[in-house]
Amino acid sequence: GDSVTQMEGPVTLSEEAFLTINCTYTATGYPSLFWYVQYPGEGLQLLLKATKADDKGSNKGFEATYRKETTSFHLEKGSVQVSDSAVYFCALRDTGGGNKLTFGTGTQLKVEL
Amino acid sequence: DTAVSQTPKYLVTQMGNDKSIKCEQNLGHDTMYWYKQDSKKFLKIMFSYNNKELIINETVPNRFSPKSPDKAHLNLHINSLELGDSAVYFCASSQDRLAGDLYEQFFGPGTRLTVL
Repeated sequence: GDSVTQMEGPVTLSEEAFLTINCTYTATGYPSLFWYVQYPGEGLQLLLKATKADDKGSNKGFEATYRKETTSFHLEKGSVQVSDSAVYFCALRDTGGGNKLTFGTGTQLKVEL
Repeated sequence: DTAVSQTPKYLVTQMGNDKSIKCEQNLGHDTMYWYKQDSKKFLKIMFSYNNKELIINETVPNRFSPKSPDKAHLNLHINSLELGDSAVYFCASSQDRLAGDLYEQFFGPGTRLTVL
């Protein structure tokens, strides 16, 4: 079945540091890929998405590129802020019906001054 | 305006009890979902309804019964609660396939269920 693997957290960075959170996936066909963010005490919010190979999703300074050859969708940001502290989830949507999302285990990011 | 709302936000109860969690969306979406997030933050889909019809039903104990009185509401009823049911339950909604690539799922704030 489909699966998503994310790097283990927590990740602790200083403000303005470069962020990479790795995500790889296993799926049949050509899934759509997503990054969701969960701030403390809140529900998940869509951060960015990519629907086909080589697409780059971007939002709020974050970006991720759909790499079919390496089945990856790594999240990056050039300069993190304290307000970016949250849990980040990589997810895929399969090509079947039902709009089912399969999530990775989440990576907690903590940004310090 | 709250897009996807859940009640209650916190629910503490004893083993063996029956409880319900309510979800409402005012986005005009056709599809609603329930997810369970365990203590390690792992998030897994439980159910999905489209226009009051069940379309996704993952391997979930039959003590869990979703009910959709109309397409704006999807409630989750849990019978005979067990310790392992303690988790955060998230409701979500989205447009459906017929509306194009409007698949983004909008999540509610979650309900933290603690079974003692």
